[in-house]
Amino acid sequence: SYVLTQPPSVSVAPGKTARITCGGNNIGIKSVHWYQQKPGQAPVLVIYYDSDRPSGIPERFSGSNSGNTATLTISRVEAGDEADYYCQVWDSSSDHVVFGGGTKLTVL
Amino acid sequence: EVQLVQSGAEVKKPGESLKISCKASGYSFTTYWIGWVRQMPGKGLEWMGIIYSGDSDTRYSPSFQGQVTISADKSISTAYLQWSSLKASDTAMYYCARYSSSVMPFDYWGQGTLVTVSS
Repeated sequence: SYVLTQPPSVSVAPGKTARITCGGNNIGIKSVHWYQQKPGQAPVLVIYYDSDRPSGIPERFSGSNSGNTATLTISRVEAGDEADYYCQVWDSSSDHVVFGGGTKLTVL
Repeated sequence: EVQLVQSGAEVKKPGESLKISCKASGYSFTTYWIGWVRQMPGKGLEWMGIIYSGDSDTRYSPSFQGQVTISADKSISTAYLQWSSLKASDTAMYYCARYSSSVMPFDYWGQGTLVTVSS
């Protein structure tokens, strides 16, 4: 089955840029979606189709996808961005949804 | 406004059965899939399965096939997740989420239902 690999944690200072990666075999040919989950809350979609932002998501959130790695980039990080982030794809070979293991973003 | 409203928290004993619900509003229920996602305490998101209420087409993750049943009642725009015999390891938060097709994201999520299984 298809596996998505995320770093368990990423730390960044306020105002800096955070990059969260999501690794998978040839992930560049898949559509990657990213979710933000704050403690005690349901996940929220922040990036879909690799790099599109739903309405209401700040422009500071962006995404890219190429080769074996997709990346969620958060510019000018704020304290309120501290959360868990999950990548997700559809694996067409198995007809299954796949989530990455999640990355905890800590704002120093 | 699209909304998915899930049923309330449950406390059950091992071996008991349970059915939790996810009521949709604000869109055409039969033209979207509903997915279920498990989150065990302190852990990540796990996809359990999806159902298309238009024709009841259902897909399960291999990890959950045979362990749970996903169903839907399109007359009341509600999806369900049920267990016939709960285990302590089923203790988790369960989310439903709207899904339009294979490469699309889960764009709207329910608030979650906490299921606690303890003797």
